[in-house]
Amino acid sequence: EVQLVQSGGEVKKPGESLKISCKGSGYDFTKYWIGWVRQMPGKGLEWMGIIYPGDYDTRYSPSFQGQVTISADKSIITAYLQWSSLKASDTAMYYCARRVSSAWYFDSWGQGTLVTVSS
Amino acid sequence: HSALTQPHSVSGSPGQSVTISCTGTSSDVGGYNYVSWYQQHPGKAPKVMIYDVTKRPSGVPDRFSGSKSGNTASLTISGLQAEDGADYYCCSYAGSFPLVFGGGTKLTVL
Repeated sequence: EVQLVQSGGEVKKPGESLKISCKGSGYDFTKYWIGWVRQMPGKGLEWMGIIYPGDYDTRYSPSFQGQVTISADKSIITAYLQWSSLKASDTAMYYCARRVSSAWYFDSWGQGTLVTVSS
Repeated sequence: HSALTQPHSVSGSPGQSVTISCTGTSSDVGGYNYVSWYQQHPGKAPKVMIYDVTKRPSGVPDRFSGSKSGNTASLTISGLQAEDGADYYCCSYAGSFPLVFGGGTKLTVL
């Protein structure tokens, strides 16, 4: 069974750094892209970026380029989303999701990681 | 790249059909057959209901169907059931960007 398990919720202060994770299991982690999606409180889904763990090829939405860093470690079948300096506006639920090969949709999703940034 | 345009809300009675539209441009919806639709219940992760405009993943009821005309894609739910009440999001491949979501539509089953 394909599973994406995300790290737990975080409460941080503005200016702090953060790295959240997404661990894949039940499939060859190196052969599927992993995407990250933001959902701000009461708002819609926003695509942030995507990484191919096989060769670490990474693409970003223009809206998030330079604001976050997406990475992965295929040795521990885990993808990451990180911030160097959080803002209150980063408060949101963040989902990782697996992109189906040769298609552009996500067939499996993590449970979400709630990030709260507050002074 | 701008978000795809969806109606804020739609509603229907049990047994009826509803259609949710998703309007983009020739650079996304109109340019590729890579439109997908996601259902999201409150507090849950999204779930794919339609992909590649018209295809249904296994396990998704055939009451859900997708179509596209020009720069507008549509999701139709026939024989509405109470559990269909949720938020629905369209998503399209957009070339170099390469993905864009719609703003979401809240479906209320009356």
